[in-house]
Amino acid sequence: EIVMTQSPATLSVSPGERATLSCRASQSISNYLAWYQQKPGQAPRFLIYDASTRATGIPARFSGSGSGTEFTLTISSLQSEDVAVYYCQHYNNWPLTFGGGTKVEIK
Amino acid sequence: QVHLQESGPGLVKPSETLSLTCGVSGYSISSNYYWGWIRQPPGKGLEWIGSIHHSGSITYNLSLNSRVTMSVDTSKNQFSLKLTSLTAADTGLYYCARQYYSSGRCHHFDCWGQGTLVTVSS
Repeated sequence: EIVMTQSPATLSVSPGERATLSCRASQSISNYLAWYQQKPGQAPRFLIYDASTRATGIPARFSGSGSGTEFTLTISSLQSEDVAVYYCQHYNNWPLTFGGGTKVEIK
Repeated sequence: QVHLQESGPGLVKPSETLSLTCGVSGYSISSNYYWGWIRQPPGKGLEWIGSIHHSGSITYNLSLNSRVTMSVDTSKNQFSLKLTSLTAADTGLYYCARQYYSSGRCHHFDCWGQGTLVTVSS
């Protein structure tokens, strides 16, 4: 099983500042990685696939990068509505696994 | 626009079987997508349970020790989950989701239901 490790657990960022979230895979997953956003009381929302391609309707301030074992989700200018927990998920092979999440809050 | 809706009992007794259904509207379940179940214990992260294709192809998370069964009903445009031998550790939100499939690989979950809370308690 591929273990996905996200860091930091919590990230406090001032409005308008950049937020950088990390996701590490225990073995190479090429670019088979997705990112999701989960706001309190809501279902996860699909953000990015293939490590760097934004889903339809996702604002351009969200970007993904990386390949192999190291991945990054960047929010270029944090907005209040971006407060949420962010999860990465690999789909390199079975079983699919998610990272433990990074909680993004406003400083 | 695709919409997924979970349904099932909110409270189940330990050792019993959980049965959940995911109704799909706005999209045919017979399309070339997989359909998955994901759960989330209270205050914790996401765990993939399994994925199913209308053709009958299914993959389960083996960590659930063969307690899981999934099925598809194309006539009702819905798919289902059964989880046996429930314990308190199975308590949480259960989500159904559509899973993109391409080039022989299941990918991301691009559309999710709102989730249904299942509590295992006597």
